[in-house]
Amino acid sequence: DTEVTQTPKHLVMGMTNKKSLKCEQHMGHRAMYWYKQKAKKPPELMFVYSYEKLSINESVPSRFSPECPNSSLLNLHLHALQPEDSALYLCASSQDLGNANTGELFFGEGSRLTVL
Amino acid sequence: SQQGEEDPQALSIQEGENATMNCSYKTSINNLQWYRQNSGRGLVHLILIRSNEREKHSGRLRVTLDTSKKSSSLLITASRAADTASYFCATVRGATNKLIFGTGTLLAVQP
Repeated sequence: DTEVTQTPKHLVMGMTNKKSLKCEQHMGHRAMYWYKQKAKKPPELMFVYSYEKLSINESVPSRFSPECPNSSLLNLHLHALQPEDSALYLCASSQDLGNANTGELFFGEGSRLTVL
Repeated sequence: SQQGEEDPQALSIQEGENATMNCSYKTSINNLQWYRQNSGRGLVHLILIRSNEREKHSGRLRVTLDTSKKSSSLLITASRAADTASYFCATVRGATNKLIFGTGTLLAVQP
């Protein structure tokens, strides 16, 4: 199984809502990632988890809250978002090869978020 | 912030022609990776080249790496309409697990 599964595929939420994006992989990967992608732009790194611990937070606003309940699951909790947070949110996983030696990332299809 | 810049930003070719995309980066790297993204979809890994390698092939793909110039190129030979996608290079920044993507090249292959 070489899939990364993301749910939901589409999400529309108001600025006062609380919602979550979910990501699952069963490849035994120990590194998991959240990226944000705006239209016609490259993916921007948000968070990296290594062995279920948050190892990188790219100065992401606290209205985005990541969680890694176990080695297969990664969540992104959303609260009090702004319209400019509307984007495609991509989850990825990789074998954790140690610092500076990141190998191939396997991406999910993304969750397209619209904030009204 | 971005580690790499790619050119051209957009490329339109006919089926059967070759497509070349270039990537320049700023800091030293352990490896450089290329990904493809169909419109609105997830990214798919194409090829990884390590810093001690100069050239790598995978099917119709050929990647070169010049660490002295901090640049890489991706060549797609005998292109097909199905190759239409955005192509991104990606590098790891420093002694971290941060995989940072370049600006991307939008390739359109006309049938």
